[in-house]
Amino acid sequence: RKEVEQDPGPFNVPEGATVAFNCTYSNSASQSFFWYRQDCRKEPKLLMSVYSSGNEDGRFTAQLNRASQYISLLIRDSKLSDSATYLCVVNRGATNKLIFGTGTLLAVQP
Amino acid sequence: EAGVAQSPRYKIIEKRQSVAFWCNPISGHATLYWYQQILGQGPKLLIQFQNNGVVDDSQLPKDRFSAERLKGVDSTLKIQPAKLEDSAVYLCASSPVGRQGEYEQYFGPGTRLTVT
Repeated sequence: RKEVEQDPGPFNVPEGATVAFNCTYSNSASQSFFWYRQDCRKEPKLLMSVYSSGNEDGRFTAQLNRASQYISLLIRDSKLSDSATYLCVVNRGATNKLIFGTGTLLAVQP
Repeated sequence: EAGVAQSPRYKIIEKRQSVAFWCNPISGHATLYWYQQILGQGPKLLIQFQNNGVVDDSQLPKDRFSAERLKGVDSTLKIQPAKLEDSAVYLCASSPVGRQGEYEQYFGPGTRLTVT
């Protein structure tokens, strides 16, 4: 079993739709959590950190459930420019080692 | 602020040949990482340096891969000899030293390696 699991998609949604991505992690000692975005043939870039209380950045909302070892990302009012792969990332702790999921591909259609 | 620099951007070699990749991290970043990203997968950490010391190389195939960061700044990753399954994008990242788990990793553009 992979340490970080995501649905690879693709998710094909129309502009303006709301879309949600889910992710589970297996190591209960994981300390911090992130969503990274990766455009085609580009490097990953940090989208947002994920906190237990939930956090929001514009149209993006991230949520962490430590008890269920579950992370989510909600995108509201999808734009064409949101089309990318969204990587769920877990930080194991002391050495800042990041464990990446396989990514979920989002394609927003006009 | 200049980002993480990597070269070359693309490399095509035949199996059993050798190849080397270079990375220059963001100025002042003490920690440097090399990742391998195979098509359709997330990046996988190969090796992590803090200054010129190795923090984690548990997933580095040491029979063929080597990496160094001699002066604690730029780094080289080498594959010798290459296998077909080494075809991937090799990403370098760097981060400052700070509170554990709280500092962002910044990625370079990567080197796309094709082994034929």
